[in-house]
Amino acid sequence: DTEVTQTPKHLVMGMTNKKSLKCEQHMGHRAMYWYKQKAKKPPELMFVYSYEKLSINESVPSRFSPECPNSSLLNLHLHALQPEDSALYLCASSQVGTAFNQPQHFGDGTRLSIL
Amino acid sequence: AQKVTQAQTEISVVEKEDVTLDCVYETRDTTYYLFWYKQPPSGELVFLIRRNSFDEQNEISGRYSWNFQKSTSSFNFTITASQVVDSAVYFCALSEGYSGAGSYQLTFGKGTKLSVIP
Repeated sequence: DTEVTQTPKHLVMGMTNKKSLKCEQHMGHRAMYWYKQKAKKPPELMFVYSYEKLSINESVPSRFSPECPNSSLLNLHLHALQPEDSALYLCASSQVGTAFNQPQHFGDGTRLSIL
Repeated sequence: AQKVTQAQTEISVVEKEDVTLDCVYETRDTTYYLFWYKQPPSGELVFLIRRNSFDEQNEISGRYSWNFQKSTSSFNFTITASQVVDSAVYFCALSEGYSGAGSYQLTFGKGTKLSVIP
């Protein structure tokens, strides 16, 4: 079983809906990541939180709003999404430190479909 | 410029055959890390191995082995006696350094889809 838990596993929403994706880890990791993955493509980094502070925003549209309420939780708030936002959204976590060799541990993802 | 190249888009093998997945990377850093991840149809990316740029020792873990060659900037992955459960997309990834505040970015290759036929 994965140590990074994402909910929901599947989400279908209309373009005017507001929904949130949730991610939880209890490995004591202080870096957490959101990725977007389209079919047959590699994951694309969206956001990185380090010590609960946003450290990277890869020019993601404002209709995606991340939140890290504590060291174990990471949310992605969705509003007014477009059909092209349909994808698998992956959460990951890793240890932090002076070395960048810590593997990122991924959740199962949320399959999002925008109608 | 693409930094991680997985030239094989799809590979099919018959069960029990050996298969090698190729990964070629590009970086100007002298210190970097390479990773392999497995993504089964369920979606989760499963960490398989990491290797730092100073350690060129090959590694074997059960049926899996990795060949890291800095001279050719390659980090290839071999599955011996493949099984149906090995069917998945395999990603090679590179991390080159700080993104800030202790985190880092992974650059993924496009992935290789492996199908193991019974």
